Amino acid sequence: GAVVSQHPSWVICKSGTSVKIECRSLDFQATTMFWYRQFPKQSLMLMATSNEGSKATYEQGVEKDKFLINHASLTLSTLTVTSAHPEDSSFYICSASQSDVGINGYTFGSGTRLTVV
Amino acid sequence: DAKTTQPTSMDCAEGRAANLPCNHSTISGNEYVYWYRQIHSQGPQYIIHGLKNNETNEMASLIITEDRKSSTLILPHATLRDTAVYYCIVRVYYNFNKFYFGSGTKLNVKP
Repeated sequence: GAVVSQHPSWVICKSGTSVKIECRSLDFQATTMFWYRQFPKQSLMLMATSNEGSKATYEQGVEKDKFLINHASLTLSTLTVTSAHPEDSSFYICSASQSDVGINGYTFGSGTRLTVV
Repeated sequence: DAKTTQPTSMDCAEGRAANLPCNHSTISGNEYVYWYRQIHSQGPQYIIHGLKNNETNEMASLIITEDRKSSTLILPHATLRDTAVYYCIVRVYYNFNKFYFGSGTKLNVKP
């Protein structure tokens, strides 16, 4: 089945630094990937849609200059949290679909736990 | 935004069937219903999806009402490992097929 890999699984960084999270589709090509953020005891919140070869589209209220998304190939999307602050500490999850319209659902990565100190 | 509503939590005895309801009264005719679950600190796991007809796979069954305004996920023989948050999602066909998660149902399977 489809596998989505996220790296790293956890990261601790100092306030003011930037952190990059990778999302890879291991056995399929994904023209579209999605990034989510999840705070403790809350549901997943969609942050942005990552499109291969074009600019990402962000959900309302998500700062595009804060959360930089690059989808340079059909198997890799990256999320960079720039100038991270403690309030950015969260669980970040990506997802992708084998088909363009996701009719068979999306496969999710295992998530990245970001802690900003 | 999420188009679904689910109970906050449910309990189920181990070995019994777990029936998780979901309301999606504003669903459009070509929008699918998906069920995922999330075990603590992991990414969501796909369970099942459907459009109009009832569906069954090795994990669960999905019952969709005739008017499609609600559905029920059935785990036929719940085990302790089925303890998780279960999300019912309507894929937003007109909005780039995005998945918006609602609050989900925390299923507690008890021995």
